[in-house]
Amino acid sequence: GDSVTQTEGQVALSEEDFLTIHCNYSASGYPALFWYVQYPGEGPQFLFRASRDKEKGSSRGFEATYDKGTTSFHLRKASVQESDSAVYYCALGTGGYKVVFGSGTRLLVSP
Amino acid sequence: EAAVTQSPRNKVTVTGGNVTLSCRQTNSHNYMYWYRQDTGHGLRLIHYSYGAGNLQIGDVPDGYKATRTTQEDFFLLLELASPSQTSLYFCASSDARDSQNTLYFGAGTRLSVL
Repeated sequence: GDSVTQTEGQVALSEEDFLTIHCNYSASGYPALFWYVQYPGEGPQFLFRASRDKEKGSSRGFEATYDKGTTSFHLRKASVQESDSAVYYCALGTGGYKVVFGSGTRLLVSP
Repeated sequence: EAAVTQSPRNKVTVTGGNVTLSCRQTNSHNYMYWYRQDTGHGLRLIHYSYGAGNLQIGDVPDGYKATRTTQEDFFLLLELASPSQTSLYFCASSDARDSQNTLYFGAGTRLSVL
């Protein structure tokens, strides 16, 4: 079935470091790909999405590019801040209104 | 402001107890969802609905019932709660006109089954 793999369970960085969180997916066709962010005590929030090959999604300095060849949608940010500390979820939508989430990556940014 | 509101925010029950988790959305969305969140598993879909009176089975439905009474209200029922159902539960909604299906989540209900 459809699935999303996030290889890093936790990432620890210092402010102004470059961030990469890896996301790979398995699905047929062209699923929509999403990144959600979850701050402590809150529900996940939509960050951005992409729906076709080579499309770049971005928001709040974060970005990811849909790559059908490598089935990836890696999250990147050039310079992280302490306020970016949160859990990040990659997800895919395959139509039929079902969304599948990865296991999440906890980002810890120290000042 | 449009929102997804869950109640209660915290709930403690005993094994074999009955629990009802409530969700109301004011987004005027057609679709509503119940997910559970567990460390190492991320978010897993329990049930979802595309309108009042409709129910669709998700990926981890065992031990859960759900009912959608109106477009706004979606309930998750645990009739014989077990410790394995201790988790953080999230309700979400989405707009049927959004073909990519962006989800909007509530703040969650933390359930402990002793």
